[in-house]
Amino acid sequence: QKEVEQDPGPLSVPEGAIVSLNCTYSNSAFQYFMWYRQYSRKGPELLMYTYSSGNKEDGRFTAQVDKSSKYISLFIRDSQPSDSATYLCAMSKNGGATNKLIFGTGTLLAVQP
Amino acid sequence: DADVTQTPRNRITKTGKRIMLECSQTKGHDRMYWYRQDPGLGLRLIYYSFDVKDINKGEISDGYSVSRQAQAKFSLSLESAIPNQTALYFCATSDFRNIQYFGAGTRLSVL
Repeated sequence: QKEVEQDPGPLSVPEGAIVSLNCTYSNSAFQYFMWYRQYSRKGPELLMYTYSSGNKEDGRFTAQVDKSSKYISLFIRDSQPSDSATYLCAMSKNGGATNKLIFGTGTLLAVQP
Repeated sequence: DADVTQTPRNRITKTGKRIMLECSQTKGHDRMYWYRQDPGLGLRLIYYSFDVKDINKGEISDGYSVSRQAQAKFSLSLESAIPNQTALYFCATSDFRNIQYFGAGTRLSVL
């Protein structure tokens, strides 16, 4: 079993829809949770990060962490064609010499005009 | 200018050739990483370095080597390239929170 599971999609939605992207994980020691956006032929770009549980909002994006369920989500409101990309979740334990970032395999999102 | 710069952006080489991919950063981070990305497999860690004197193998280090020339520079070498090393390669940096910032990537094809 992978430490981080993410549905690869593709997920296709109409412009203006609310998008929900999710990851599950197995390691209860994870403390830092991140979402990256990757456009085709580009490097991953940090969108959101959250420490421990709770919600974080930034414009149209909301990140949620439910540590009791080992489940994280990224919500995109009023989705735009420019949101079409692959979304990667990532997580790690506390910063330290041995703690690496573990990535999901990514969900491909297409927002149709 | 980009905070994390990778060169070259694209490279085509032949089996058995030695090649080097270079990465430099202006974020002032001590930690640097090399990943490869393959369809369906996501990002896999090749090597990482927490400072100039610290080099560590990741999950798929066989066939690769690295050099940390300075805090800002971290290069990846393929001593004898093989076709299954065809992939997208990313360099990244992070601070102590392990929040990573990526370069634009190098698309490598080994024929």
